Amino acid sequence: DVKVTQSSRYLVKRTGEKVFLECVQDMDHENMFWYRQDPGLGLRLIYFSYDVKMKEKGDIPEGYSVSREKKERFSLILESASTNQTSMYLCASSLQGYSSTDTQYFGPGTRLTVL
Amino acid sequence: LAKTTQPISMDSYEGQEVNITCSHNNIATNDYITWYQQFPSQGPRFIIQGYKTKVTNEVASLFIPADRKSSTLSLPRVSLSDTAVYYCLVPQRGDNTDKLIFGTGTRLQVFP
Repeated sequence: DVKVTQSSRYLVKRTGEKVFLECVQDMDHENMFWYRQDPGLGLRLIYFSYDVKMKEKGDIPEGYSVSREKKERFSLILESASTNQTSMYLCASSLQGYSSTDTQYFGPGTRLTVL
Repeated sequence: LAKTTQPISMDSYEGQEVNITCSHNNIATNDYITWYQQFPSQGPRFIIQGYKTKVTNEVASLFIPADRKSSTLSLPRVSLSDTAVYYCLVPQRGDNTDKLIFGTGTRLQVFP
């Protein structure tokens, strides 16, 4: 089974702090994704990466950056956390990217609270 | 661009069959339709995928009419553990990029 792990299940940070969310997958997948999930808004794509050191913006990249130095690891960075970034963050990986037959495998999520 | 529309929420009782319909009027010719299930405090997980007619697995069935502009996820004899959010996915094909947009999903509540 594919396993996607996220560094923390719960995280509390203060406004202005730099926050790192880490995601690791063990299936040698090319593609990795970061989403945030808010009540009533579903999952919204922040960034995705289709290869090491490659990244593309999703629908809501503002206030976030990403890093993918190794194939198995994809980091989401909040340069200066703000209260409106309080959310559930979900990482996913997939083999083929945006082929419609592709399956995304999700981690358990990190619930971030910014005070 | 293909966009999906599905009901925001549905209620059911244990033992009933639940059908959740998703419309995707602009689905591309070669694209498949995929459904995910998300339990509280977990990430979504793949449950079923299809291209046309009917697909069945151990979890659900997926019915797709000939015009492929909609699809229906069918959960037979639901139990309390089927309480979850169900997402229908179809790729959005744009000029410069393709996206898989999850949308808001359908929140299914199963009662005893």
